Order: sequence, then C-alpha cells, then structure tokens
Amino acid sequence: AQSVAQPEDQVNVAEGNPLTVKCTYSVSGNPYLFWYVQYPNRGLQFLLKYITGDNLVKGSYGFEAEFNKSQTSFHLKKPSALVSDSALYFCAVRETGGSYIPTFGRGTSLIVHP
Amino acid sequence: GAGVSQTPSNKVTEKGKYVELRCDPISGHTALYWYRQSLGQGPEFLIYFQGTGAADDSGLPNDRFFAVRPEGSVSTLKIQRTERGDSAVYLCASSLTTGTGAGYEQYFGPGTRLTVT
Repeated sequence: AQSVAQPEDQVNVAEGNPLTVKCTYSVSGNPYLFWYVQYPNRGLQFLLKYITGDNLVKGSYGFEAEFNKSQTSFHLKKPSALVSDSALYFCAVRETGGSYIPTFGRGTSLIVHP
Repeated sequence: GAGVSQTPSNKVTEKGKYVELRCDPISGHTALYWYRQSLGQGPEFLIYFQGTGAADDSGLPNDRFFAVRPEGSVSTLKIQRTERGDSAVYLCASSLTTGTGAGYEQYFGPGTRLTVT
C-alpha cells in the first residue's frame, strides 16, 4: 500500500523568506514522488518530480524538493517566497513497479504575506 | 499547446437527475484519470483509462458512476440518480503512457464543479 502525509494544513511565511512545505510518504518499494500546485478554481499544475538519481530536484517557478529516503520525506522548498506563491500544494506518491494510480496528500495551504 | 479541457465548468442539477461530464485530454496522452475533489481534500481517485479500456475502476463509489472513453481520447463521466453527496469538483487528468516503470506526471484540467440540489 502507498500513502502520503502532509502534516501541515497551512503554512504562513513572509514574502522574501524561505518556505518549506512538508511531505512524508510510505511505499513498500521505491517511490515516484510529485508536487502539484492548485490555484483557486483551477486544476492541479505539475511542479516537479523525483524519479531516480539526484536527490535534489528543481522544478517550476524556483521550487525545489529534496528526496530523503531514510526519512521517507520529499519536502518542497523555495529560497525566497513570493505573494504569488500563495496556493494549495499537493504531494503525491506512486510506487515503482506497483500501482499506477498516484496517491495524493490532503494538501497544504501556503499563504505568503506581503 | 492545448491542455486538458473539461466541460461544463459548472453544473447544477436536481437530486435524482442524470449528468455527464466531459474531458478532452492532451493529444497523444494514452492515460486518462478521473478524480473527485471535495473542499479541503486532495484528489480522490475514481477511474483510470489506458487507451479505450478502463484499466482500473476501483475508485468508483457505486454503480451510479460510469465512465467511457470509446476512441481512446475524449472521456465522459456519467452519474445516474445524482445525490447531494455527489456534489464536488470532478477533475480529469491525462499523462503519457503509464506503467509500473514509468514516472510520468499528470496534467489536470480545470475541473467541473457539480452541485446537486
């Protein structure tokens, strides 16, 4: 079975400060990990993914995420937050060699204050 | 290029009525997924198509829900005898072929907001 947890319903950060949105996962084998962003009244938009290789993954809009196998985490980060980054962020996991249906977390609302 | 489109964007229907929700995926994407999203929740899997066939429909909540993809492109999600609990945003996503060894990301449409009164 595969699962993902986003322990924070909401993250607040001041513009210009670094941000972190947390994600932990559980799979039997190796994971494919994804981050998506959702703006109001819009569908989810792909940000970045970890498939294999380098643990630090860079994605759209200056976001990056670090795959940590020992901690089963894939936290989303950005060095300097923008007000326009305010949105819902979803982490998803799919087990390699297993289910082809990704499991999504409940989402974390990121609020960047001016 | 064109992304995933869904129609209608909003649908209000009375309890007991039949509704159809349409999804037009990205051209060339063989995999198509339907999800349901309630407020404050992540997408909940409903059904997955690989080509024309439903490869996994384990997420459909009951037999009132059905989906088709007759030509391997456009898909229609059909809900019979709608109930107020069916109210949600229905999301469609497509991706390049997916298999146990493929890590392709999904591309989502804007969703259809279904309200059952």
